Amino acid sequence: SQTIHQWPATLVQPVGSPLSLECTVEGTSNPNLYWYRQAAGRGLQLLFYSVGIGQISSEVPQNLSASRPQDRQFILSSKKLLLSDSGFYLCAWTESGNTIYFGEGSWLTVV
Amino acid sequence: SQQGEEDPQALSIQEGENATMNCSYKTSINNLQWYRQNSGRGLVHLILIRSNEREKHSGRLRVTLDTSKKSSSLLITASRAADTASYFCATGLGGADGLTFGKGTHLIIQP
Repeated sequence: SQTIHQWPATLVQPVGSPLSLECTVEGTSNPNLYWYRQAAGRGLQLLFYSVGIGQISSEVPQNLSASRPQDRQFILSSKKLLLSDSGFYLCAWTESGNTIYFGEGSWLTVV
Repeated sequence: SQQGEEDPQALSIQEGENATMNCSYKTSINNLQWYRQNSGRGLVHLILIRSNEREKHSGRLRVTLDTSKKSSSLLITASRAADTASYFCATGLGGADGLTFGKGTHLIIQP
């Protein structure tokens, strides 16, 4: 069966520091991968998606970047965090383009 | 892009009652899905209804879709305290860019 792992689960980072959130999927090949952000009390905003290694599509201009160095690995990064980057970040995957499966999320607080 | 909006934003009912949540969207869709999110956790897929379907059941869940009105409803029958969560509708065209989520309905089941 397929599983998705996302880490770290929580982190507190100072403004201007770098960020790296990692996500890996097991039990599937060539999945579509996604990073969503959820602000407090809000819906999900799609940040990035990837259909293959090295292929990244960005949905919104922002302070973040994403990379896919391996088929089942998706990384969300920032060189310098802003206060507005605080939120709940969710990695997700799909095979069919229909049902999306989510990781448990990463809580980021920028102070 | 198509976008789901849930109504009401919050709903509080007594255990054993039925809970109904609605979702409206703006453009044509391939399918509509409902997800559940427990506080501080990732989203879990509940049910998918395709654009050519009008009603679908899964356990205590009943979903309807009216493409002429661009709306869907999620009914949870015989609610339980464990059903307390946020519920999101999501729409998609089956493409690589995934799904677009609404802001969710926060459901509270009073024991």
